[in-house]
Amino acid sequence: DTGVSQDPRHKITKRGQNVTFRCDPISEHNRLYWYRQTLGQGPEFLTYFQNEAQLEKSRLLSDRFSAERPKGSFSTLEIQRTEQGDSAMYLCASSRSGAETQYFGPGTRLLVL
Amino acid sequence: ELKVEQNPLFLSMQEGKNYTIYCNYSTTSDRLYWYRQDPGKSLESLFVLLSNGAVKQEGRLMASLDTKARLSTLHITAAVHDLSATYFCAVDIAGTYKYIFGTGTRLKVLA
Repeated sequence: DTGVSQDPRHKITKRGQNVTFRCDPISEHNRLYWYRQTLGQGPEFLTYFQNEAQLEKSRLLSDRFSAERPKGSFSTLEIQRTEQGDSAMYLCASSRSGAETQYFGPGTRLLVL
Repeated sequence: ELKVEQNPLFLSMQEGKNYTIYCNYSTTSDRLYWYRQDPGKSLESLFVLLSNGAVKQEGRLMASLDTKARLSTLHITAAVHDLSATYFCAVDIAGTYKYIFGTGTRLKVLA
């Protein structure tokens, strides 16, 4: 068990560029969550996958945001046409069905210039 | 509006003292979660409270849940410096897979 991993850990981009983040959950975990956290705030729920199915999306996940989990293992979160307001820490978490504890990854810190 | 409110937002306390952090939520939920976050780090799960009246303890921390009052407490006993961190509570929205986090309580334990 190596825990939840995220890549990259840091990303600096210019406004208008597209970025993609990857999350590798704990291997036996079928549930995967994405959150966004800005400085001094709690995490905000973005989306939830059960296996490869995206079962829940927040209104925060605008048209510029898309997430996938094609084979029910790793997941990607893409932000198109980034804006300065997208600057935040993007957190991924995973859990097993029937177990309530979510295990969080280290996060990807995004800075949009 | 669905809200999770924590009180206090900032807490500075002396080592050895006791204190309680409060978490009020507005949505219907029977499950409440407590997390710890150290500066620049990710979140670590502390407690999962699954029913009304649930109480869990780990070391100097004890969490409880009153679903009727929509209130959870995180009690700190004889605080030590290592407990300095930000503590978040979170609830899941009944009938969905969405979670709402509180704004956090930043705890600083002074030696």
